[in-house]
Amino acid sequence: KAGVTQTPRYLIKTRGQQVTLSCSPISGHRSVSWYQQTPGQGLQFLFEYFSETQRNKGNFPGRFSGRQFSNSRSEMNVSTLELGDSALYLCASSLTVWGTEAFFGQGTRLTVV
Amino acid sequence: AQTVTQSQPEMSVQEAETVTLSCTYDTSENNYYLFWYKQPPSRQMILVIRQEAYKQQNATENRFSVNFQKAAKSFSLKISDSQLGDTAMYFCASESPIQGAQKLVFGQGTRLTINP
Repeated sequence: KAGVTQTPRYLIKTRGQQVTLSCSPISGHRSVSWYQQTPGQGLQFLFEYFSETQRNKGNFPGRFSGRQFSNSRSEMNVSTLELGDSALYLCASSLTVWGTEAFFGQGTRLTVV
Repeated sequence: AQTVTQSQPEMSVQEAETVTLSCTYDTSENNYYLFWYKQPPSRQMILVIRQEAYKQQNATENRFSVNFQKAAKSFSLKISDSQLGDTAMYFCASESPIQGAQKLVFGQGTRLTINP
């Protein structure tokens, strides 16, 4: 079956702009999580959605937001981009039960200039 | 809150050798899962192995095995008969019902290079 698909793969934005990243989970997976990966901070949890509801949120400013649609596809949005938002953004999908395997996409590389 | 620490930023071994990656974690919970994920240059994270905290038996998956020491809060990964394809970043991670479903806490990672 198809894996987790993230689009776009690469993105270059200017400081102050906003950006929307998309994630299509594995068919049947209703949980979608987002992570930010940077060389300095490593992998940090952004938020998790299940059945269109945000169940959990990491310690990120309100400029970072997300949503999930009825087909489980998810988007995350970053407004008023800062240079420090440059990172690899990873999406993962999984079954609802905790402790199960998270399947990751290949990520979106965001560069803010 | 749970924390995960990987003290080896980089490791390098020859093909066919055995290598052990270290991971320690801190938690006050009794019920949690521990994971090792692999991130090759393609960037896609792949689950290597998973351990349930209440299971005393160490998990194994082919050439990959863990040494889970619950009292010491240690969770090391052993790769036997290492192969060139094992070259990747390896992340140790934890998950618990209190911190939230599908909220993984990752260590900083260990860059493993397998040399021919």
